[in-house]
Amino acid sequence: QVQLQQSGPGLVKPSQTLSLTCAISGDSVSSNSAAWSWIRQSPSRGLEFLGRTYYRSKWYNDYALSVKSRITINPDTSKNQFSLQLNSVTPEDTAVYYCAGGHSTFPTWGQGTLVTVSS
Amino acid sequence: EIVLMQSPGTLSLSPGERATLSCRASQSISNNLLGWYQQKPGQAPRLLIYEVSSRATGIPDRFSGSGSGTDFTLTISRLEPEDSAVYYCQYHVNPPPTWTFGQGTKVEIK
Repeated sequence: QVQLQQSGPGLVKPSQTLSLTCAISGDSVSSNSAAWSWIRQSPSRGLEFLGRTYYRSKWYNDYALSVKSRITINPDTSKNQFSLQLNSVTPEDTAVYYCAGGHSTFPTWGQGTLVTVSS
Repeated sequence: EIVLMQSPGTLSLSPGERATLSCRASQSISNNLLGWYQQKPGQAPRLLIYEVSSRATGIPDRFSGSGSGTDFTLTISRLEPEDSAVYYCQYHVNPPPTWTFGQGTKVEIK
């Protein structure tokens, strides 16, 4: 059974970088059949896919157009985890952030992290 | 980009009744990569249905999905108190790789 455990700060100042990590158990971040995503949820934007990373003989990333200029998702094979970095955050980036596993749909989710952007 | 519109906004029913939730797409979804999720307060979404009508692991058979083209439905055949939640539809298309969620339907059990 695949499980995802999120970690990272719940408060980020405007213009700074939001950083979260998702540790994977029961699967490998570098599996040739898996994909690992970040999704956020806010009252104003609902559920919003942000991006994903996956390995198919080399690493690939897909990012949502809405955050493409500010987002980086990186795998860490040594710790079997992946991370989210979102630069230049504003209060509109305040949301619950989830990591998730899956391809066209997401059967596996982390517990969620409420990230508030405020000075 | 395809927009998913869910209706009704809220559904209030009694235990044992049948719930019918609608998800309408702004354009036809031809690849059948549409799923449904259940989310309870303070929890992450839980996948119920994938590829329109396949139940995810461990999902009771009172949950079923159907539809094609632009109109999709999640049916809960006999409501139980623990089915009180918000339900979301979601689709995927590639290229370009896109994942889109509906705005949700809240199911209340009387």
